[in-house]
Amino acid sequence: KAGVTQTPRYLIKTRGQQVTLSCSPISGHRSVSWYQQTPGQGLQFLFEYFSETQRNKGNFPGRFSGRQFSNSRSEMNVSTLELGDSALYLCASSFISSGANVLTFGAGSRLTVL
Amino acid sequence: TQLLEQSPQFLSIQEGENLTVYCNSSSVFSSLQWYRQEPGEGPVLLVTVVTGGEVKKLKRLTFQFGDARKDSSLHITAAQTGDTGLYLCAGGGSNYQLIWGAGTKLIIKP
Repeated sequence: KAGVTQTPRYLIKTRGQQVTLSCSPISGHRSVSWYQQTPGQGLQFLFEYFSETQRNKGNFPGRFSGRQFSNSRSEMNVSTLELGDSALYLCASSFISSGANVLTFGAGSRLTVL
Repeated sequence: TQLLEQSPQFLSIQEGENLTVYCNSSSVFSSLQWYRQEPGEGPVLLVTVVTGGEVKKLKRLTFQFGDARKDSSLHITAAQTGDTGLYLCAGGGSNYQLIWGAGTKLIIKP
């Protein structure tokens, strides 16, 4: 069973540009979550999609957006990049087991903003 | 707002020693998960506990969920260099949202 695939793995952008990251969840998983991970702030929840609908949203500015397609693949977009957006962006697909939301993460997309 | 405090933030010990990592909150969680993350990779689920007082063992790792479901601990016996990584706890909140601890960076020296 293939895991969660994130592309690209690494990318470098300059301030003011925009970026789109892609995530393919585990086959059959309909929920996809996105997280930002930085050394200083830890793992910060961005948003969660389920069956093409945003189900939950974290406390990030509107520059951060996402969507989910009918095949459960998801993309997130960050517009007008700032230096502080440099981070590892993680995608996770999930399922409910014994009442717990169990996540399987991808390897992440490492974004550097210059 | 639900918060999870993890301690210690950083731990460096010799191979063969024992260690315990803690995850504490004033809030009750429906479940508690532990993940391990290695450099360049995403976190990988180690265990999920859902019952207060529950203890689960995974080889040399022992996980405990507090009776009141507000805290959890991860104990590693006879640590090995392969245990090195970032350990994250996550509590199950309302609507299946996860509340994350800040992580414990563990280094096991040979």
